[in-house]
Amino acid sequence: TQLLEQSPQFLSIQEGENLTVYCNSSSVFSSLQWYRQEPGEGPVLLVTVVTGGEVKKLKRLTFQFGDARKDSSLHITAAQPGDTGLYLCAGANAGGTSYGKLTFGQGTILTVHP
Amino acid sequence: GAGVSQSPRYKVTKRGQDVALRCDPISGHVSLYWYRQALGQGPEFLTYFNYEAQQDKSGLPNDRFSAERPEGSISTLTIQRTEQRDSAMYRCASSLEAEQTGVRNEQFFGPGTRLTVL
Repeated sequence: TQLLEQSPQFLSIQEGENLTVYCNSSSVFSSLQWYRQEPGEGPVLLVTVVTGGEVKKLKRLTFQFGDARKDSSLHITAAQPGDTGLYLCAGANAGGTSYGKLTFGQGTILTVHP
Repeated sequence: GAGVSQSPRYKVTKRGQDVALRCDPISGHVSLYWYRQALGQGPEFLTYFNYEAQQDKSGLPNDRFSAERPEGSISTLTIQRTEQRDSAMYRCASSLEAEQTGVRNEQFFGPGTRLTVL
């Protein structure tokens, strides 16, 4: 069974601070996706990382995929209240034929105070 | 439609009743997925389809849960003899196709069906 451990579970910070969310596993994933979810809505994809060591930037968000494709991080610079939400990492199955199966982490609830 | 739609948005039922949850994926999307999500937690995989074929149902909790997608478009998740522990948000997602890597398996989620079993 593939598991993704996400940390921290809760994060409460002031506007302008930086933060990092971690996603770790003992399993290798073929790709890893990060989602953001707002209350009452479904998760919305932020980015997909595919190659070990890959770094992707999306404005103030920086995503990194570990060299061994077992872990990932999301770094937010100068957080804003609009960044508040549930952040989820999800790994796509490596090997076998069930490519569509995503394993989600437990999520990080981020609150950015003005 | 522009996105994934699900119906009903809310379903309240009594223990022991059967329920059917519907998902209408994005037009042209080959793959369709069902998840269950607890409040403040990540979605838990249930099953997924490519076209009408059920590719993986390893996440279905027990044999009271079943899903179908007979024409490769709309899907129905059925829960028979519902129990209180089945209460949750059930989410559907679709993607261009499920593949090992890359962007074609990026999943777009629907708004979910909130199921409450009394």
